[in-house]
Amino acid sequence: SQQGEEDPQALSIQEGENATMNCSYKTSINNLQWYRQNSGRGLVHLILIRSNEREKHSGRLRVTLDTSKKSSSLLITASRAADTASYFCATDAFGNEKLTFGTGTRLTIIP
Amino acid sequence: DGGITQSPKYLFRKEGQNVTLSCEQNLNHDAMYWYRQDPGQGLRLIYYSQIVNDFQKGDIAEGYSVSREKKESFPLTVTSAQKNPTAFYLCASIPGPGGGYTFGSGTRLTVV
Repeated sequence: SQQGEEDPQALSIQEGENATMNCSYKTSINNLQWYRQNSGRGLVHLILIRSNEREKHSGRLRVTLDTSKKSSSLLITASRAADTASYFCATDAFGNEKLTFGTGTRLTIIP
Repeated sequence: DGGITQSPKYLFRKEGQNVTLSCEQNLNHDAMYWYRQDPGQGLRLIYYSQIVNDFQKGDIAEGYSVSREKKESFPLTVTSAQKNPTAFYLCASIPGPGGGYTFGSGTRLTVV
C-alpha cells in the first residue's frame, strides 16, 4: 500500500527558479526520506529527516516536516537542468526498517 | 567502489517461464529489499531480508520468491504464477536501522 502521496504529480519550472513539492502520509513515522530517480534508473537518496526534527538542509535542498499535519515538503533552490527527475518521499515506522514510498512528483526544469 | 549491482538490465520472459533477477552488494549491508515499480507509479515492496537465511514477504509477494544464502546476494525469482510481471524491478540495501537506502540501477522485465 502507498503510504505517501506527493503533490503535485508533475511540475515544470524555469531554470533558476525554486521548486517545491509536498508529501503527505497516513500513519505515524520514525523517519521520512526523499529520493530522486532519473528516468529508467535506480533511486538516489537525497535527505533523511527524523520525526523529532522540523527542518533539515543539504546543499540546495531544504526539507521540512510537520508531524501534526503528517506532511513534508522538499524545496530545491536555484534549480538546474540536471534536477529534472522524479522525486519520491518514503517513510518508515518505529521498529520497522521497511520504507513505504509515495507516488512521486515529476519535476521538469526548462532551460 | 561499493554499490549494488543488478543484472541483467533488460530481461524478456515468455509466458509460463520462471526468471531470476540478480542483486549483489559489496557494501556489507545487512538488510536487502526488492521493489517493483510500474510506469508512473511509486515503489511497492515485494520481499525483504534483514539477515542471512531469513526473509519476509512485503506487500505484493504473490508470484515471487527469494533466497538469502549469502549476505552479499538476494536474488528474486519471478514465477509463472505472477500474472502481470512486466515492470521495473529495483533492489536496495541498508546497513542498519534509520539510514538511507542504496539502490541498484534496476532490471526491466518484459513478458513477450
